[in-house]
Amino acid sequence: EIVLTQSPATLSLSPGERATLSCRASQSVSSYLAWYQQKPGQAPRLLIYDASNRATGIPARFSGSGSGTDFTLTISSLEPEDFAVYYCQQRSNWPQYTFGQGTKLEIK
Amino acid sequence: QLQLQESGPGLVKPSETLSLTCTVSGGSISSSSYYWGWIRQPPGKGLEWIGSIYYSGSTYYNPSLKSRVTISVDTSKNQFSLKLSSVTAADTAVYYCADPARDYWGQGTLVTVSS
Repeated sequence: EIVLTQSPATLSLSPGERATLSCRASQSVSSYLAWYQQKPGQAPRLLIYDASNRATGIPARFSGSGSGTDFTLTISSLEPEDFAVYYCQQRSNWPQYTFGQGTKLEIK
Repeated sequence: QLQLQESGPGLVKPSETLSLTCTVSGGSISSSSYYWGWIRQPPGKGLEWIGSIYYSGSTYYNPSLKSRVTISVDTSKNQFSLKLSSVTAADTAVYYCADPARDYWGQGTLVTVSS
């Protein structure tokens, strides 16, 4: 089973700042990695798929990078609505997939 | 626009079987080459993939739950279902049905395991 480790567990930043979230896989997942955003009481929302492709309707301030075992989600300038929990998901052996444990992005 | 809706009991007794159904509307469950899935989230914790099913009935399960999970599909009703046997308090969670590839999710349903 592929294990995804996200860091940091919590990230405290202010609106307008840049956020960098990391996801490391226990073995290579090539570029088959996605990022989700989840707000309280809501289902997750897909932000990025295949490591660097923005999903439909996702603002350009969200970008993803990486391949193999190390991946990054960057939010270039935080908006108030971006404070949420973010999960990475590996899709290398679809339709079997796993999620990271999440990074909580909170307002400083 | 595809919509998914979970239904089933919100309270299940320990050692019993949890049963949920996901009804798909706005499209046919068998009209695409996508896998339907169940994902759960214990209160205050992260997301856990439970299993996936193709409209033909092919299934894939999380190894950690495989011995207790059955996912099935009923194309005539445009539904797919989850059964989780021998539940304990650790199975208390919000259960989501989803088509993660296309980012279609149900709203989630809280199932509490308690006597």
